[in-house]
Amino acid sequence: GAVVSQHPSWVICKSGTSVKIECRSLDFQATTMFWYRQFPKQSLMLMATSNEGSKATYEQGVEKDKFLINHASLTLSTLTVTSAHPEDSSFYICSANGGGLGYEQYFGPGTRLTVT
Amino acid sequence: RKEVEQDPGPFNVPEGATVAFNCTYSNSASQSFFWYRQDCRKEPKLLMSVYSSGNEDGRFTAQLNRASQYISLLIRDSKLSDSATYLCVVNRVDSNYQLIWGAGTKLIIKP
Repeated sequence: GAVVSQHPSWVICKSGTSVKIECRSLDFQATTMFWYRQFPKQSLMLMATSNEGSKATYEQGVEKDKFLINHASLTLSTLTVTSAHPEDSSFYICSANGGGLGYEQYFGPGTRLTVT
Repeated sequence: RKEVEQDPGPFNVPEGATVAFNCTYSNSASQSFFWYRQDCRKEPKLLMSVYSSGNEDGRFTAQLNRASQYISLLIRDSKLSDSATYLCVVNRVDSNYQLIWGAGTKLIIKP
């Protein structure tokens, strides 16, 4: 149980384009999903918390107009990196919490984004 | 002071040995504690929750000391496959199920 999928697993795009990443909870309903970013050899950094049907809450320093988050259903959240630049190249990972399961978060396999 | 602190390591340990990590947290109101493991270039995976009374899962034992605000993880009979980064995680108090992540302790098991 508690399986989370994430697509795509890797993407290479040109500077200035937008990239959408999908995160799905496959066998449970995720009331809350989280988006993280991780640069090489650094710790996980929480970008935003998204609740189904409401606006995402962004961490300090994360531009909400650049990283658009939509959580339209209890099993799907999307992160769109708009007008991507090389400094946005990173490992983006989503996680989901089922509410009734407590604070545990279950992670998708991550998306490795490279902006050229 | 960081909210969750871990020794970054690396801990270089021979196969078969026992190794222990500690982690300290700053908010005494924290209620949920976890150990995750993360392999290189992969997502974190939940290793075990940490309960007040301590808990064991096979070769892994987790302990919680609320008075001193630290969590420990003990790995017995270490295997090569235990090589990974171990992340200490604590719930963010008064948050929307958010977690606070330690920077991780890198463990390298040598044959």
